[in-house]
Amino acid sequence: GAVVSQHPSWVICKSGTSVKIECRSLDFQATTMFWYRQFPKQSLMLMATSNEGSKATYEQGVEKDKFLINHASLTLSTLTVTSAHPEDSSFYICSARDVAGGGWEQYFGPGTRLTVT
Amino acid sequence: GNSVTQMEGPVTLSEEAFLTINCTYTATGYPSLFWYVQYPGEGLQLLLKATKADDKGSNKGFEATYRKETTSFHLEKGSVQVSDSAVYFCALSDLNAGGTSYGKLTFGQGTILTVHP
Repeated sequence: GAVVSQHPSWVICKSGTSVKIECRSLDFQATTMFWYRQFPKQSLMLMATSNEGSKATYEQGVEKDKFLINHASLTLSTLTVTSAHPEDSSFYICSARDVAGGGWEQYFGPGTRLTVT
Repeated sequence: GNSVTQMEGPVTLSEEAFLTINCTYTATGYPSLFWYVQYPGEGLQLLLKATKADDKGSNKGFEATYRKETTSFHLEKGSVQVSDSAVYFCALSDLNAGGTSYGKLTFGQGTILTVHP
């Protein structure tokens, strides 16, 4: 099956710094990628949808200047949390879909645990 | 807007017990319904899906039937194994206007299942 990786799997950063999370599709071209956020014991909340080469579409209530998403290639999307604060601590999950190949299914990465101190 | 409600966990069962995880939804139109499973340290994987009323999705001994009259999509398995221990997510998605690709996924909060030998 299609594989999506995320790096790092966990990261600790100090308040006020920025941190970048990578999402890669390993064996298919991901024309569309999604970024989710998951709080403990809560569901995955979609943050944004990005199509390769285009600006990301953010969900209502998500600060686009704080959560910068870049999808510059068909196998890589990055999420940068700028000026991180403790309330940004969460589990971030990406998924990818090969829309151009006719695929509808989303393939999920294993997630990245961010802790802001 | 769309929403998904799952029974709260965690659920703890003995091996070979019968499993039911309840899922109900609220949606406009005719959504497609999914169950995803997340094993420890891995990304979410599609377990099964149903795209229209009365459809039954099945995979690895798990089944769920799309019940439009009760807006439900309960997950069942007749005899669970220790290897079924994981987090299970119910989700829905709207088809796009052309019916050719799926829109955004809306997830339930997840149910932790632990199966003891």
